[in-house]
Amino acid sequence: DSGVTQTPKHLITATGQRVTLRCSPRSGDLSVYWYQQSLDQGLQFLIQYYNGEERAKGNILERFSAQQFPDLHSELNLSSLELGDSALYFCASSVEDSTDTQYFGPGTRLTVL
Amino acid sequence: AQSVTQLDSQVPVFEEAPVELRCNYSSSVSVYLFWYVQYPNQGLQLLLKYLSGSTLVKGINGFEAEFNKSQTSFHLRKPSVHISDTAEYFCAVSRAPNDYKLSFGAGTTVTVRA
Repeated sequence: DSGVTQTPKHLITATGQRVTLRCSPRSGDLSVYWYQQSLDQGLQFLIQYYNGEERAKGNILERFSAQQFPDLHSELNLSSLELGDSALYFCASSVEDSTDTQYFGPGTRLTVL
Repeated sequence: AQSVTQLDSQVPVFEEAPVELRCNYSSSVSVYLFWYVQYPNQGLQLLLKYLSGSTLVKGINGFEAEFNKSQTSFHLRKPSVHISDTAEYFCAVSRAPNDYKLSFGAGTTVTVRA
């Protein structure tokens, strides 16, 4: 158990819908990262937050957005969903915005039908 | 930008045999290097990382990796595998010194057979 929690574990929805994925980092971790794992794209970095502020952006679609709240939990919002958005979405956290180990949550499996 | 190539997509190996998983990276700047393991239906767990210093890095569960700057490689090894090592292994890089997002390779599936 990494100490990072993600909810829900599974999510099934239809094209065009909007969903919110939630991540609670390990206690004391200030940095949160979101990654997408799909069969065709592999593991890809989406976005990073550090202590409430956006720190880095990867290949995140404009239909996707995220935020980190004052209690340091983070949410990833996916809208206008397409079939190709079906994937496993991981959240990771680390103590600082540095080379500290990133601890990964168990992931949220999103299925878009 | 940096990229990571894992040269083997699948590696079958017998129990107690050695295993080597190959990873090459390309980057125009210095990098930090990582190996993560993903057991079935679980998240990723760090095996080891190279930041600086000794090029031979020892990690958890008996794994080690060697950083070779001239060959831009970071191969992972274990001298004797167990059934429980069956998993997917990912090599990753981040760009030193201030960019910590990870770029992952495509992964290598290791299947250990008795």
